[in-house]
Amino acid sequence: GAGVSQSPSNKVTEKGKDVELRCDPISGHTALYWYRQSLGQGLEFLIYFQGNSAPDKSGLPSDRFSAERTGGSVSTLTIQRTQQEDSAVYLCASSLEDTRTDTQYFGPGTRLTVL
Amino acid sequence: GNSVTQMEGPVTLSEEAFLTINCTYTATGYPSLFWYVQYPGEGLQLLLKATKADDKGSNKGFEATYRKETTSFHLEKGSVQVSDSAVYFCALSYQGGKLIFGQGTELSVKP
Repeated sequence: GAGVSQSPSNKVTEKGKDVELRCDPISGHTALYWYRQSLGQGLEFLIYFQGNSAPDKSGLPSDRFSAERTGGSVSTLTIQRTQQEDSAVYLCASSLEDTRTDTQYFGPGTRLTVL
Repeated sequence: GNSVTQMEGPVTLSEEAFLTINCTYTATGYPSLFWYVQYPGEGLQLLLKATKADDKGSNKGFEATYRKETTSFHLEKGSVQVSDSAVYFCALSYQGGKLIFGQGTELSVKP
């Protein structure tokens, strides 16, 4: 079946612009996660959604970052007023449930470059 | 807080050599433990996992045992191949399934 898809695969933007990154999870998966992979910080959790519950935003690095998930499926991560330190690969993952034992399946990522 | 520490890379081995990548963790409660692998140009994929103490995860010849007494989850393979060259990430999952990753270990296998 189809895996997790993300778009765009690459995004180059200028400092100060807003960007939107999209994630399509595996059909039927109720949990959706966003992570960031950067050279300096490694892989870090940003935010996750489970069903209709309020999202866990505990990993968002600043209030310039936000995310939403519409209809329990597609998710969009928005970064406002991008900074150079936002340059990273943004990964989306989904899993059947949000328990500690569930396997997360990752998308190919969006490489964001802020000039 | 919760954290994962991996041995630093890069690790360079000859084909058919024995591989160990050390991973230790700090966690409250009872996390699940994972090894994810990232092959060149590809996305992260699950290699193996263990969800409780003394469980052994295994896949593609790789193994790791969840050791609560030493808070470790070391990855081993008896005979590596060139195709195993990749970056390996140890991770733990606790509340809500959030993953905390180690810094990654790059493995390079030479023919």
